[in-house]
Amino acid sequence: QVQLQESGPGLVKPSQTLSLTCSVSGGSISSGSYYWSWIRQPAGKGLEWIGRIYSSGNTNYNPSLKSRVTISVDTSKNQFSLDLSSVTAADTAVYYCAKSSSVTRLDYWGQGTLVTVSS
Amino acid sequence: EIVLTQSPGTLSLSPGEGATLSCRASQSVTGSYLAWYQQKPGQAPRLLIYGASSRATGIPDRFSGSGSGTDFTLTISRLEPEDFAVYYCQQYGSSPPVTFGQGTKLEIK
Repeated sequence: QVQLQESGPGLVKPSQTLSLTCSVSGGSISSGSYYWSWIRQPAGKGLEWIGRIYSSGNTNYNPSLKSRVTISVDTSKNQFSLDLSSVTAADTAVYYCAKSSSVTRLDYWGQGTLVTVSS
Repeated sequence: EIVLTQSPGTLSLSPGEGATLSCRASQSVTGSYLAWYQQKPGQAPRLLIYGASSRATGIPDRFSGSGSGTDFTLTISRLEPEDFAVYYCQQYGSSPPVTFGQGTKLEIK
């Protein structure tokens, strides 16, 4: 059974870059045809899809965040990453990573990590 | 962008009762690619239903999904105590590829 675990700084200063990593266990990130996504959720609010990377390396981003987002894969470490630049308080949220066998859904989720943007 | 509107915002029911949750899309959902997730406090969402009506692995058969086009429904028959949570619908489309509804909170009456 695949397991996903987010990690990264819990506090980021405004205007800096938020960087998170999702470690994948229970299978190789480079085997099979899977989509690896990032989603976020501000406290007490709904879910916002940030973007995804396919096993081929192709990426798709939410147009509302596209200018600030980069998602990449490190197969040697069996993990994928999220970089979100020029953050503001509005980027404060729990960030989740997820694995999918289809573009149409999000099959398995990590437990999430809280990132606060504050000086 | 396809906007998903879930109703009701909050649903108060008792264990053993049945629940009907609605998700309405602003435009027709491509290929009925509509999914439902359950989220309990402090936990990540869990996939329940995909393709509008297919149950994900390990999901009890008291959960069922239906609908097509712009109107979709999640039905939970015979509510168990562990079913009280927030439920989100999600659609796959063009841009952005993934959008969620605002959620329905199912609470114990």
